[in-house]
Amino acid sequence: AQTVTQSQPEMSVQEAETVTLSCTYDTSESDYYLFWYKQPPSRQMILVIRQEAYKQQNATENRFSVNFQKAAKSFSLKISDSQLGDAAMYFCAYRTAPPNTNAGKSTFGDGTTLTVKP
Amino acid sequence: GAGVSQSPRYKVAKRGQDVALRCDPISGHVSLFWYQQALGQGPEFLTYFQNEAQLDKSGLPSDRFFAERPEGSVSTLKIQRTQQEDSAVYLCASSLVIQMNTEAFFGQGTRLTVV
Repeated sequence: AQTVTQSQPEMSVQEAETVTLSCTYDTSESDYYLFWYKQPPSRQMILVIRQEAYKQQNATENRFSVNFQKAAKSFSLKISDSQLGDAAMYFCAYRTAPPNTNAGKSTFGDGTTLTVKP
Repeated sequence: GAGVSQSPRYKVAKRGQDVALRCDPISGHVSLFWYQQALGQGPEFLTYFQNEAQLDKSGLPSDRFFAERPEGSVSTLKIQRTQQEDSAVYLCASSLVIQMNTEAFFGQGTRLTVV
């Protein structure tokens, strides 16, 4: 079974600064997908960024980028120019790729609460 | 609809009561997922549908939990004889196609409190 570990229960960053959230995972599969989700107090999970394991290039979405180290099974999220609206809980998630029979289900870490200080 | 809609947003049930949680996915979305999120933890997979077919129910914690999606659209998660350990937020998500790298859109969840 896959596991996802987020070792930082809480992080804080000054507005306009950069912060990196850590995520490691354990799997024996060679093909999979990785995601970062944001969950504000409204509880709705919002996709921040995704990475396909077969792609070597790190994904970027505006101020958000990842550092994907497949051999180390590490998938960290970097938020640049942090804004007050970035404050939320962030979850790292792993999803098996088809045709594996477990494809479809995602495994989430326990989250990192990010505080942005003005 | 504009997004995934879940109802009710909040549910308080007495221990032993049966509850039904509803999920309206985005129109046309093939895949539908249910997750359970305990306080301070990440979501845990419960079950997955592709259209009306329940392809994976390995995460359902006991036979008191039952999910259905009879017409391949709306889904209902039913919990029989609720216990205090069932208290959690139940999240529903849907995605357009079957390929697993596509984005899953989440609803706002139903917070279930069993007293």
